[in-house]
Amino acid sequence: EDQVTQSPEALRLQEGESSSLNCSYTVSGLRGLFWYRQDPGKGPEFLFTLYSAGEEKEKERLKATLTKKESFLHITAPKPEDSATYLCAVQDHNTDKLIFGTGTRLQVFP
Amino acid sequence: EPEVTQTPSHQVTQMGQEVILRCVPISNHLYFYWYRQILGQKVEFLVSFYNNEISEKSEIFDDQFSVERPDGSNFTLKIRSTKLEDSAMYFCASTEGEVPRNYGYTFGSGTRLTVV
Repeated sequence: EDQVTQSPEALRLQEGESSSLNCSYTVSGLRGLFWYRQDPGKGPEFLFTLYSAGEEKEKERLKATLTKKESFLHITAPKPEDSATYLCAVQDHNTDKLIFGTGTRLQVFP
Repeated sequence: EPEVTQTPSHQVTQMGQEVILRCVPISNHLYFYWYRQILGQKVEFLVSFYNNEISEKSEIFDDQFSVERPDGSNFTLKIRSTKLEDSAMYFCASTEGEVPRNYGYTFGSGTRLTVV
């Protein structure tokens, strides 16, 4: 059964303090792994799609990496506006659906 | 940047009533989806829709649920007889292709459905 586990559940960082969020997954065949940002009461906002092990993508202070079992979202020198819940989702090769993790709630303090 | 638009943003309904949640996907997208998120829980897949028919649905999407693309721009989710446990945030999403290459799945801001 496809599964996604995210850790930690919550993370508090000082502004400028870099860290990483983890997404471990189990699928029979990976079609894609997706990272989203979700603000309270809002829909998921697309960040990255990764398709194969070894792939990396960057956007501003965020960098996503992928192995055969997990993905990391690295946040470099975060700012308070990076505070949000970060969601990881995977799509198996034989299905339309995304399987989401429970998310990591990030708080960045000035 | 193109957006997926959902209306209403919040709907309160009595148990047993029918509700219709509306979505306007991005205009050149061909694949449409509904997801829901019960407060404090994971985002869960409900249904996917392509070429005017359901392509996949989850166990949650039982006979009380239906989807429709009544015209060239709207995509709707109908819940025939709402239950208390249907209270959740409902998200519409769309993609340009079966395997989204550039922008992933674009989600709307959601409709918060409260069943009382």
